[in-house]
Amino acid sequence: EAQVTQNPRYLITVTGKKLTVTCSQNMNHEYMSWYRQDPGLGLRQIYYSMNVEVTDKGDVPEGYKVSRKEKRNFPLILESPSPNQTSLYFCASSPWTGGNGYTFGSGTRLTVV
Amino acid sequence: AQTVTQSQPEMSVQEAETVTLSCTYDTSENNYYLFWYKQPPSRQMILVIRQEAYKQQNATENRFSVNFQKAAKSFSLKISDSQLGDTAMYFCAFMKLPSGNTPLVFGKGTRLSVIA
Repeated sequence: EAQVTQNPRYLITVTGKKLTVTCSQNMNHEYMSWYRQDPGLGLRQIYYSMNVEVTDKGDVPEGYKVSRKEKRNFPLILESPSPNQTSLYFCASSPWTGGNGYTFGSGTRLTVV
Repeated sequence: AQTVTQSQPEMSVQEAETVTLSCTYDTSENNYYLFWYKQPPSRQMILVIRQEAYKQQNATENRFSVNFQKAAKSFSLKISDSQLGDTAMYFCAFMKLPSGNTPLVFGKGTRLSVIA
């Protein structure tokens, strides 16, 4: 089944404790992206990647890191999480053309206390 | 930069009735795609319908159809014969072409409740 797999689905952590949210897709898509969803703000892009070893900032990149060492994987790293990073996170992928929209992962609900 | 506006934070509709969700966008681009995504309580993002800007014909997918007015930069979603399973958050989204490194830009969403 074609899908984007995110883990974990839920995560509660403490301020300053490094964490990684994993994302993997099995569709050989070139483009991958991370979004955060907050009430009243919709989905905002954090980082994206057009292909292996090519990443760039989205609209809200502060406090996040990403890497794209393999085409299928695009982990999101929070080096020192803070409470304002409490959010619902989505990984998404698409072929280069993008015309069919994105395929989304199931989301990760992150709480930083 | 492109912006997408959904002016109705919340809406409700009786089961079997028809409801229309509004979306406007701001862009200077001529070639782009527009999308409606549904997010049920399971929080999964599900593509409902897509529209290519160069196509004048409005897209339809079963009970879902759009009214695309390019000159007015309007892209509303009509849900006919509403069902309880349509209860969800709905997001309008915009992508310019060529897509390449351009993101999918989302509106803030409309929460739709279908009432029995």
